[in-house]
Amino acid sequence: DAGVTQSPTHLIKTRGQQVTLRCSPKSGHDTVSWYQQALGQGPQFIFQYYEEEERQRGNFPDRFSGHQFPNYSSELNVNALWLGDSALYLCASSPDTFNEQFFGPGTRLTVL
Amino acid sequence: AQRVTQPEKLLSVFKGAPVELKCNYSYSGSPELFWYVQYSRQRLQLLLRHISRESIKGFTADLNKGETSFHLKKPFAQEEDSAMYYCAFISSGSARQLTFGSGTQLTVLP
Repeated sequence: DAGVTQSPTHLIKTRGQQVTLRCSPKSGHDTVSWYQQALGQGPQFIFQYYEEEERQRGNFPDRFSGHQFPNYSSELNVNALWLGDSALYLCASSPDTFNEQFFGPGTRLTVL
Repeated sequence: AQRVTQPEKLLSVFKGAPVELKCNYSYSGSPELFWYVQYSRQRLQLLLRHISRESIKGFTADLNKGETSFHLKKPFAQEEDSAMYYCAFISSGSARQLTFGSGTQLTVLP
């Protein structure tokens, strides 16, 4: 099991563009959470998906949206990118009944 | 507001010395607390959780509800302990949303 995988590793976009980040959870995990980690900060919760629905959302604007597929993989979409969206985006997975979350390596997004 | 505070951004100790990384949380309910660690060029990983009451790699952490603290301790630091440490909690009743502190970079000097 490769654990949680994310793609791409790095991404460079310009202001106003849209981006899609992808995540495959650890085998046997059905819950996927997304976090944004700005430089020098701890990860901040964006939202969580379970059974293909957004179950909980953090304090992020509607420009941030997501999706979960029947195989439990997930996408994070960000529209109308701002410079401030530059960050490391982390995906974490867990079984629904278990609180430990397993993190992926992250996608480094740079907005110019 | 739910918040985790790690007052030290940087902490340096010598090999063999005791180390304590501080964590305070702000939450009125009963949270579940965690310490996550990120070694250089590795992904974020769970170090320990308070409900397990384990000692992992010589580290322990005790939940003090009166002081709302969950400090991480190790009696004898090793060079391989150098890493970024994040304190985090899950509030009761939430969909397992982790709230993280801003982290403490621990450097263990030879």
